[in-house]
Amino acid sequence: GAVVSQHPSRVICKSGTSVKIECRSLDFQATTMFWYRQFPKQSLMLMATSNEGSKATYEQGVEKDKFLINHASLTLSTLTVTSAHPEDSSFYICSARRADTEAFFGQGTRLTVV
Amino acid sequence: QQQVKQSPQSLIVQKGGISIINCAYENTAFDYFPWYQQFPGKGPALLIAIRPDVSEKKEGRFTISFNKSAKQFSLHIMDSQPGDSATYFCAASMTGRRALTFGSGTRLQVQP
Repeated sequence: GAVVSQHPSRVICKSGTSVKIECRSLDFQATTMFWYRQFPKQSLMLMATSNEGSKATYEQGVEKDKFLINHASLTLSTLTVTSAHPEDSSFYICSARRADTEAFFGQGTRLTVV
Repeated sequence: QQQVKQSPQSLIVQKGGISIINCAYENTAFDYFPWYQQFPGKGPALLIAIRPDVSEKKEGRFTISFNKSAKQFSLHIMDSQPGDSATYFCAASMTGRRALTFGSGTRLQVQP
């Protein structure tokens, strides 16, 4: 299957700092990528849709100024958690769809804010 | 409003048995229904997917059954193995570059 690579897999940062998470589609071009957040033992919650060359679309309740998304190329989207706080600690997962059908997910990033 | 309802929340099956997970959706515009397997600390991995023009799709030990009129679909895992122990998510989406809507997940435990 197609590969979506997410980096880093784990990150610990101090409260008030910013953290960048990268998501790359390795073997196909992804004009659209998606960012999800997952709390322990819960389902994936869509945060935003990342569109190459344009602004991201955020879901209701997601602060766009806190979760900055950039989709500068057809293979790379980044999520930056700005001024992170302990409540931002979570598992963040990116996804890319190939040919408008199959959606593949990255390995996820465990963010811990201390 | 939850658009994809998944049950059961947890499931314990003996090795060699059949695991069955059910999902129901509300949005009739959905036309793509995948199932994902997720291990702790990992991203979801695509298992199998189906579109509404077929009622069943089988890939190895995994089978999706789809009932369009009832707006339900299910995952059957035949000859369940301890290595199948994971969380399974059903999902649905519409044609186009749309995000998936996920069910709440089912934690499967296959006992040796």
